[in-house]
Amino acid sequence: GESVGLHLPTLSVQEGDNSIINCAYSNSASDYFIWYKQESGKGPQFIIDIRSNMDKRQGQRVTVLLNKTVKHLSLQIAATQPGDSAVYFCAENSDAGGTSYGKLTFGQGTILTVHP
Amino acid sequence: EAGVAQSPRYKIIEKRQSVAFWCNPISGHATLYWYQQILGQGPKLLIQFQNNGVVDDSQLPKDRFSAERLKGVDSTLKIQPAKLEDSAVYLCASSPQAATLTKYFGPGTRLTVT
Repeated sequence: GESVGLHLPTLSVQEGDNSIINCAYSNSASDYFIWYKQESGKGPQFIIDIRSNMDKRQGQRVTVLLNKTVKHLSLQIAATQPGDSAVYFCAENSDAGGTSYGKLTFGQGTILTVHP
Repeated sequence: EAGVAQSPRYKIIEKRQSVAFWCNPISGHATLYWYQQILGQGPKLLIQFQNNGVVDDSQLPKDRFSAERLKGVDSTLKIQPAKLEDSAVYLCASSPQAATLTKYFGPGTRLTVT
């Protein structure tokens, strides 16, 4: 069935380092992907998204890379800060229309810990 | 703009009891979602409303879970009777339209069933 999973459940980095969080997806029909950040006691917060017709998208300190050949998604955070410590989820959308348009399937999540 | 509001933030009940959660989406958002997030997992969609109509409840355990959005604004999610495995964070999210893939999440209600 459809699934979105993560290679590494935890990632620990030093402040100032770059972080890379990986995600594998299994549904080749997925056409849209989102990265969310979830801090303790809060709901997921949108970080960046990418459509399947792109292979790279950049935001402020974040870059998402999409490799459709191997069905792999990654989130790169530059100059990681202690405030970046959170759980990061990738999510995919595989419905191209109809009543389920906008239905996201979330992966398990990666815990990022940034040490000062 | 104000975000998605949820209450209560925490709830502890015994199994077989009933519980209700409330959500107030961002003003003007037509689409409202309820997600269940079990500890260590990503959120799982329970139900999606477009205005006051249900457009997807395929993953809602309808024998014990119910949800409504009578006036197309606020929504309530109810569990009756609760089971131990219902312990989770219940997240409400909204988006301007169903076709808007970016969702805005509330802080969630953490439910513990003992």
